[in-house]
Parts: sequence; structure tokens; C-alpha cells
Amino acid sequence: QKEVEQDPGPLSVPEGAIVSLNCTYSNSAFQYFMWYRQYSRKGPELLMYTYSSGNKEDGRFTAQVDKSSKYISLFIRDSQPSDSATYLCAMSRAGSNYKLTFGKGTLLTVNP
Amino acid sequence: NAGVMQNPRHLVRRRGQEARLRCSPMKGHSHVYWYRQLPEEGLKFMVYLQKENIIDESGMPKERFSAEFPKEGPSILRIQQVVRGDSAAYFCASSPQTAGGVEAFFGQGTRLTVV
Repeated sequence: QKEVEQDPGPLSVPEGAIVSLNCTYSNSAFQYFMWYRQYSRKGPELLMYTYSSGNKEDGRFTAQVDKSSKYISLFIRDSQPSDSATYLCAMSRAGSNYKLTFGKGTLLTVNP
Repeated sequence: NAGVMQNPRHLVRRRGQEARLRCSPMKGHSHVYWYRQLPEEGLKFMVYLQKENIIDESGMPKERFSAEFPKEGPSILRIQQVVRGDSAAYFCASSPQTAGGVEAFFGQGTRLTVV
């Protein structure tokens, strides 16, 4: 079983839709949870990170962590064509938070 | 403030040659991380360096791969005697001392093709 599982998609939604992206994980030692956005042929860009459980909101983006279920989510409200990209979840343990374990990424297309 | 700079962006090497990938961290960042993204795979941690020190190289293949971050100049990822399986995108990230790896900024990557 992979440490981090992420549905690769592709996911296609109309502009203005609410997008839900998810990852599951198996390592209960993970404490830091991150979401990155990666445009084609570019480097990953950090969107937000959370420590332990709970929610975090930043503009149109909301990250949720449910450690009891080992499940994290990223919600994008009022999606825009410019949100079209691959979204990567990543996690790390306390004490070695620099060693990120990534999901494979979900390819999202927002259609005008 | 320039971001993390990686060069070259694209590198083609024949089997058996050496590949040298360079990474200049963001200004003020003293921590550098290298990741590899194989086709159809997620990013995989390779190595974590601070100036003149390798902190964690647990993700580095045991042979042919080495990394350094000298006192002056960029961090270098060196791959000796490249093979087709080394073809991948190699990303460098950097972070300031206080933030740790959770707030690492990534470069645009070097895409290595071995022919």
C-alpha cells in the first residue's frame, strides 16, 4: 500500500463549480499536510499547509484534514479556468518535516 | 526577489555521460532539497542539504548520485554514468532556516533526457 494515495483524475468541471480534491494516507505519523499546484512543465507551487487536524481557508481555497480517517481535502470555490493544473498533496512527519511524501497528483481542467 | 533558479532547464545526455544540475536557492534561504519526478510517478525526496552539509540523503540512489551545497555558489546534483532510467524531472526547493521543509519553494525543474 502506498503511503499517500491520490486519484489522478482527470477531473473536468465547468467554470464556477466547487471542486473537491482528496488524498488518503496510511502513515499515522504524518503531521504536516500540504497542497501544491503544478502547471504543465512548471515547478510545484505551495497553496497552503496545515498542521495536524482541522480546516484552513485562504481566499477561494479551503484545506481540511481528518486524521482519524487519514483523509485530507482541498476545496476550490468559484473555480476559474486559470485553476486548471495538477494538484499535488504532500505530507511530512514532525521531526523530519522537510521530507515531503507526495501523491501522484490530480489533473484538473476548468472549462469556460 | 528571484525565485529558486535551476539550470539548465533541459539537459540531454548520452548513456554513460555525467549530468550536473544546478540550483540557486532564494535569497536568504539556507536549506536546499532535491526531488525527482519520474514519468507517471509523484515527486520523490532525494536529499536535504544545508551549506557545506548533507543533512539527509536517504532518498538518493546508493550509486552514481551525489549532491553538494558549497559555501559559495549553487547546489549541485551530479549523476555519473547516466542510464535511461535516470530520465526524469529534477526539482530543487529551498526554505529559510526558520520555516523548515513545509514552506519550501520549488524551482522550475531540470528535465533530464538520457538517449
